[in-house]
Amino acid sequence: GENVEQHPSTLSVQEGDSAVIKCTYSDSASNYFPWYKQELGKRPQLIIDIRSNVGEKKDQRIAVTLNKTAKHFSLHITETQPEDSAVYFCAATIPGGGADGLTFGKGTHLIIQP
Amino acid sequence: NAGVMQNPRHLVRRRGQEARLRCSPMKGHSHVYWYRQLPEEGLKFMVYLQKENIIDESGMPKERFSAEFPKEGPSILRIQQVVRGDSAAYFCASSPRPRQATNEKLFFGSGTQLSVL
Repeated sequence: GENVEQHPSTLSVQEGDSAVIKCTYSDSASNYFPWYKQELGKRPQLIIDIRSNVGEKKDQRIAVTLNKTAKHFSLHITETQPEDSAVYFCAATIPGGGADGLTFGKGTHLIIQP
Repeated sequence: NAGVMQNPRHLVRRRGQEARLRCSPMKGHSHVYWYRQLPEEGLKFMVYLQKENIIDESGMPKERFSAEFPKEGPSILRIQQVVRGDSAAYFCASSPRPRQATNEKLFFGSGTQLSVL
């Protein structure tokens, strides 16, 4: 089955700086890569996703890049703000990989220092 | 649209008791997925249901856990004879079509935090 590794487990950056979270996946057939943000005690919320036919996608301060050859994808947050503090999860989907096909990373706790 | 609704938000049970977690999908969504999140861990798939059918329960423990999604009413995740290791956050998600078929976005509920004493 698919295996998703996520790094780092904790990331602390100064407000205004950029943050990068990286994930690798094992199955080259994976074709969909969503990112979820989970604030303490709240639900995971989809913040951005990318499909395997695209190398990069951007939405305001958030961008995701995908390198299919290396089987890794990254979340980039620029001009970080206090409200960006949360746990971020990456996920990968294998076609035919079960009912939901989503395999999640273990999460990155992003801390924005004022 | 109220979104995916889960209740209760917090549930405390003693070892050996039963836990029943409820999930009402978003309006118009007939596909429900249950996930478990242990502390410091990601979300682990448990079961996928459509109305009156269990489609995939490959992530469910073989004993004590069951799920249903009746024709009327919410989806229920039932844990019998709970043990301390069942303590976790249980999230429900829904989609309008099978998620896998078209890479539909998943919408999560706020979760139920189960604590077993």
